[in-house]
Amino acid sequence: SQQGEEDPQALSIQEGENATMNCSYKTSINNLQWYRQNSGRGLVHLILIRSNEREKHSGRLRVTLDTSKKSSSLLITASRAADTASYFCATDGVGYSTLTFGKGTMLLVSP
Amino acid sequence: DAGVTQSPTHLIKTRGQQVTLRCSPKSGHDTVSWYQQALGQGPQFIFQYYEEEERQRGNFPDRFSGHQFPNYSSELNVNALLLGDSALYLCASSLTGGISPLHFGNGTRLTVT
Repeated sequence: SQQGEEDPQALSIQEGENATMNCSYKTSINNLQWYRQNSGRGLVHLILIRSNEREKHSGRLRVTLDTSKKSSSLLITASRAADTASYFCATDGVGYSTLTFGKGTMLLVSP
Repeated sequence: DAGVTQSPTHLIKTRGQQVTLRCSPKSGHDTVSWYQQALGQGPQFIFQYYEEEERQRGNFPDRFSGHQFPNYSSELNVNALLLGDSALYLCASSLTGGISPLHFGNGTRLTVT
């Protein structure tokens, strides 16, 4: 079973707009990570936020974490067509860096 | 610096057959994890290998087995293939200790007919 649930399942926007994806999870975590997957390829790590952090930035990415609500959000500002991909949140499991992934949000950015 | 490499990229097998998938981790990484990703779903954890031993296992039957070699490369074996085993199989490597993001290969697309 999957720990995280992303919302929305799919998102379609125009270039230049911001994209926001949400992730909810069920159990306590040590950290939460976001990954991107281009069609049928491997996942690429985007950003990691620890449970004692509330917000983190990396380039055009902004991640927030609310452990009281067991939720996180990923904001991509000024989206580009190259941002078209599926985005997954992942939470750490019981020890040993195993990750549990959600079902993902499919983002389509149109030129 | 080579990243994670997987072979083969695509594979077609018949129900009941056995399959072996291979993975070479990113240089410097010592831990290999395998994930199964069905179409439209997120990756599901199969198992993780460290120091040539299975360190943790997800909710997969014994038909799924693996191995890690002294050079840290790894194999995933699936016996008695079922139609439901059709999926993208992803290998990810990391460095044990601390918080280490996973580095993924591009996967092996397995189709069982």
